[in-house]
Amino acid sequence: AQSVTQPDIHITVSEGASLELRCNYSYGATPYLFWYVQSPGQGLQLLLKYFSGDTLVQGIKGFEAEFKRSQSSFNLRKPSVHWSDAAEYFCAVGSSTGANNLFFGTGTRLTVIP
Amino acid sequence: DADVTQTPRNRITKTGKRIMLECSQTKGHDRMYWYRQDPGLGLRLIYYSFDVKDINKGEISDGYSVSRQAQAKFSLSLESAIPNQTALYFCATSTFRNEQFFGPGTRLTVL
Repeated sequence: AQSVTQPDIHITVSEGASLELRCNYSYGATPYLFWYVQSPGQGLQLLLKYFSGDTLVQGIKGFEAEFKRSQSSFNLRKPSVHWSDAAEYFCAVGSSTGANNLFFGTGTRLTVIP
Repeated sequence: DADVTQTPRNRITKTGKRIMLECSQTKGHDRMYWYRQDPGLGLRLIYYSFDVKDINKGEISDGYSVSRQAQAKFSLSLESAIPNQTALYFCATSTFRNEQFFGPGTRLTVL
């Protein structure tokens, strides 16, 4: 069965510090992987995606993620967090055949302290 | 203009009332989805449609129905609303690779 695990419900970091949000997935086929961000009162915005090729993908707002097939992980990173990065982050997995829907993790809420 | 729009943005209703949430998109995608979001539970899929003649139940379809009026329009109905349907509802469209684009959400409160 497909599933996505985001083990950290809430993370607090200082502005300027580095960030890593964890995502592990279980999927029976080659996955498509996504990270979305949701600011308070807003919809979800796509940060980055992995379909194939280079396992390190760059996204918007200075975020990157690395696909590690052996660990079934797709962790999100940012070298220096800004106060505006405070939001909820969702990892999602989908089928590479396009046949199925996205499966979302339960999210990680990021708090940034000055 | 936004690519995916939802109306209304906020709605308060009473138990037993019928309510419809509407979604329109200008992205030209065939695939559309309805999700609900509850704190700590992430997004859960209610219904999805891969084209105008295709409707599929998601993981939590009980108590909901949908209508795909056109490629660009996908409506969600609660035939008889109950308090545990209080949630944030999102419509989304996607490419064939499941890259999904979300609307701004509808906050529904059932009293």
